[in-house]
Amino acid sequence: KNEVEQSPQNLTAQEGEFITINCSYSVGISALHWLQQHPGGGIVSLFMLSSGKKKHGRLIATINIQEKHSSLHITASHPRDSAVYICAVRADGLTFGKGTHLIIQP
Amino acid sequence: GAVVSQHPSRVICKSGTSVKIECRSLDFQATTMFWYRQFPKQSLMLMATSNEGSKATYEQGVEKDKFLINHASLTLSTLTVTSAHPEDSSFYICSASRVGVNSPLHFGNGTRLTVT
Repeated sequence: KNEVEQSPQNLTAQEGEFITINCSYSVGISALHWLQQHPGGGIVSLFMLSSGKKKHGRLIATINIQEKHSSLHITASHPRDSAVYICAVRADGLTFGKGTHLIIQP
Repeated sequence: GAVVSQHPSRVICKSGTSVKIECRSLDFQATTMFWYRQFPKQSLMLMATSNEGSKATYEQGVEKDKFLINHASLTLSTLTVTSAHPEDSSFYICSASRVGVNSPLHFGNGTRLTVT
């Protein structure tokens, strides 16, 4: 079974700061998802990666298949980025990290 | 973008009753739907994977007789919590994807179930 570790668990930063959230997994995968969950519970899929790097607006996601590691970066962070960010990996099934609770203070 | 509608968003029921939660893909054909459960301040836990027209595959520890999943069409999957107990109170979320193991996931907004 794939073990998915996310760090940090909690992160508080000031508006404008560059944010990095990390995700490591233990066995080979076919895809990795980054998800965003807002306080109301709704989940948005931010990225799906199997290699390399993707960018969408202020969000960047990278994955290193050899090192079994992915990062999610947020540039010029804003209070509306406050949410829980979840990494999920797909191999035989779908395994989720515990999430990173991000708070961006104005 | 693809839209997944989940209904109801909140439900309160009495112990011993059954509750049905619907998950619909509104603008695409979802060959695979996933059901998750989330306890307060915890991450998502995959309960089961359902493929249209076939029986759902349940994760270890999830009682298939208690959590009945039906995926009768390419746009609708249902989760029925049977004989609900207070410990079944939780946040239930579905996601849907098109054919292909690496298709993106599209999530419903979740259902907050409270069993009294």
